[in-house]
Amino acid sequence: EAQVTQNPRYLITVTGKKLTVTCSQNMNHEYMSWYRQDPGLGLRQIYYSMNVEVTDKGDVPEGYKVSRKEKRNFPLILESPSPNQTSLYFCASSYGGSKNIQYFGAGTRLSVL
Amino acid sequence: GENVEQHPSTLSVQEGDSAVIKCTYSDSASNYFPWYKQELGKRPQLIIDIRSNVGEKKDQRIAVTLNKTAKHFSLHITETQPEDSAVYFCAATSHGNEKLTFGTGTRLTIIP
Repeated sequence: EAQVTQNPRYLITVTGKKLTVTCSQNMNHEYMSWYRQDPGLGLRQIYYSMNVEVTDKGDVPEGYKVSRKEKRNFPLILESPSPNQTSLYFCASSYGGSKNIQYFGAGTRLSVL
Repeated sequence: GENVEQHPSTLSVQEGDSAVIKCTYSDSASNYFPWYKQELGKRPQLIIDIRSNVGEKKDQRIAVTLNKTAKHFSLHITETQPEDSAVYFCAATSHGNEKLTFGTGTRLTIIP
């Protein structure tokens, strides 16, 4: 089954404790991306990657890191989480180019206390 | 960079009536405009998209129109049904630039 898998689905942590949210896709997509969703602000892109070892900042990259060492995986790293990073996070993937239909993961709800 | 504005933020319509959601974009290089539907507690899913070489696209009860000159595009849902209740997001991007910019969303409620 074609899918984008995020883990964990729910996470409560404390300020400053490093965490990683994993994202994996099995569709051989070139393009992967991370978004955060906040009430009234819609979906804002954090980082995106057009291929292995190629990453670019989205609209709200501050406080986040990503890596793309393998085509299927695109983890999101919060080195020192802060309460303003409490949000719903979505990973997405697509073929890119003219086939830029985004397939979203189920989401990760993060609370930073 | 691209800026996408979406209106209204909330919309309530009687079942069977039509709903229209409008978006404007700022980057004239944008040429791909998808619409996503997000049901409560679920992930966004593509419902329809349009490219800049087309003015209108229809898929059963949903349609999207694009006015490149005015830089706006709209989602039209006819004969609305309770299952159309969701949050709808428009987005814009340019081919070759994979950065997708979303609007802030419209919460559509269908009143039975």
